Amino acid sequence: EAGVTQFPSHSVIEKGQTVTLRCDPISGHDNLYWYRRVMGKEIKFLLHFVKESKQDESGMPNNRFLAERTGGTYSTLKVQPAELEDSGVYFCASSQARRRGTSGGHETQYFGPGTRLLVL
Amino acid sequence: DAKTTQPPSMDCAEGRAANLPCNHSTISGNEYVYWYRQIHSQGPQYIIHGLKNNETNEMASLIITEDRKSSTLILPHATLRDTAVYYCIVRVGGIRGGSEKLVFGKGTKLTVNP
Repeated sequence: EAGVTQFPSHSVIEKGQTVTLRCDPISGHDNLYWYRRVMGKEIKFLLHFVKESKQDESGMPNNRFLAERTGGTYSTLKVQPAELEDSGVYFCASSQARRRGTSGGHETQYFGPGTRLLVL
Repeated sequence: DAKTTQPPSMDCAEGRAANLPCNHSTISGNEYVYWYRQIHSQGPQYIIHGLKNNETNEMASLIITEDRKSSTLILPHATLRDTAVYYCIVRVGGIRGGSEKLVFGKGTKLTVNP
């Protein structure tokens, strides 16, 4: 079974440009998450999709970031315009839908390899 | 902020057991303990999780204290490829309508030495 894939693996852009990152979750996973690690900091949550709906976008840093998941399959994360502080590694993760009847049960998140973004 | 405390670094000899501690004294009754690791600059890799009972899989064992305020991840026979940053995470949310995000701390940098 294919894991979570992300494209591109690396991106180098200039400040002010636009970049779009793509994530393909594991087939059949309803939940899709975006995280990022900026230089020297911990991995931070950005947002969570359940199918095509945004369940939690509390971690999105500002309105320069736009995430979409049309059709509930792959997701894109667009940064427009990019700033220097956006440099870092962007990770995507996916998990199955929570199973009915589980008490506080959680579904394991599986991560992709990340996209390394460098804004110059 | 992360709800866990881990030592910043540990060393282990190849072939020996690596025991990584984690404190989570404010854990709630319905929160799980998850362990992930990040090898070099790859994406975080799921290892194991548990609620109150000890768990074992092909990668590791998880020992959770009876009061659930701490846990230990055990890699029974560490190899050089186990060198990574190990994250202990208490899963927030997960209730109906809530987010299931993972909150990463700084983790423990485990170095397995030959």
